[in-house]
Amino acid sequence: GESVGLHLPTLSVQEGDNSIINCAYSNSASDYFIWYKQESGKGPQFIIDIRSNMDKRQGQRVTVLLNKTVKHLSLQIAATQPGDSAVYFCAENKGAQKLVFGQGTRLTINP
Amino acid sequence: DTGVSQDPRHKITKRGQNVTFRCDPISEHNRLYWYRQTLGQGPEFLTYFQNEAQLEKSRLLSDRFSAERPKGSFSTLEIQRTEQGDSAMYLCASSQVSGYNEQFFGPGTRLTVL
Repeated sequence: GESVGLHLPTLSVQEGDNSIINCAYSNSASDYFIWYKQESGKGPQFIIDIRSNMDKRQGQRVTVLLNKTVKHLSLQIAATQPGDSAVYFCAENKGAQKLVFGQGTRLTINP
Repeated sequence: DTGVSQDPRHKITKRGQNVTFRCDPISEHNRLYWYRQTLGQGPEFLTYFQNEAQLEKSRLLSDRFSAERPKGSFSTLEIQRTEQGDSAMYLCASSQVSGYNEQFFGPGTRLTVL
């Protein structure tokens, strides 16, 4: 079946370190992926997206990598800050309109 | 603040009651989506509109659920005869009809059915 999933449910890193959050998808026809950040009690916040014709995209302190060969994408956050603590979701845009979300990874930043 | 607003932010109701939620999307966005999120899970798609037309509904949207977008602007989601299993966060998102589908989410309405 089709699914978007994450390798680890939780991740703890030291403040200032880099963090990497991983996501696997199963639909090789997927052509668009988005990373969202969700803080407690809030809606998902768009972080960065990537299209299937790209393998890397950079934003401010964030980089998304897409490996279509193994159907894997990752979110790298550089120099993590306390405000980065949240649950991170990858989402797959399935051709038409709906997003399919993974279960999420809770990122905790230790002081 | 993404520009998508939802009302109310919290709703507590008794089983069997009807509830209605409202979503106001970003003004220039033609598409509007409803998702449901339960604790510890990612959001699940319920339905979406392009302008006033409801174009897709998930099998999660039972016949107790109905969504409208009468003028192509705000949308309402009604749940009739609520059940305890309806307790969740109901999220609204909007996007433009162009290119890829970058969806912006509102803060959600948290429903608790007692």
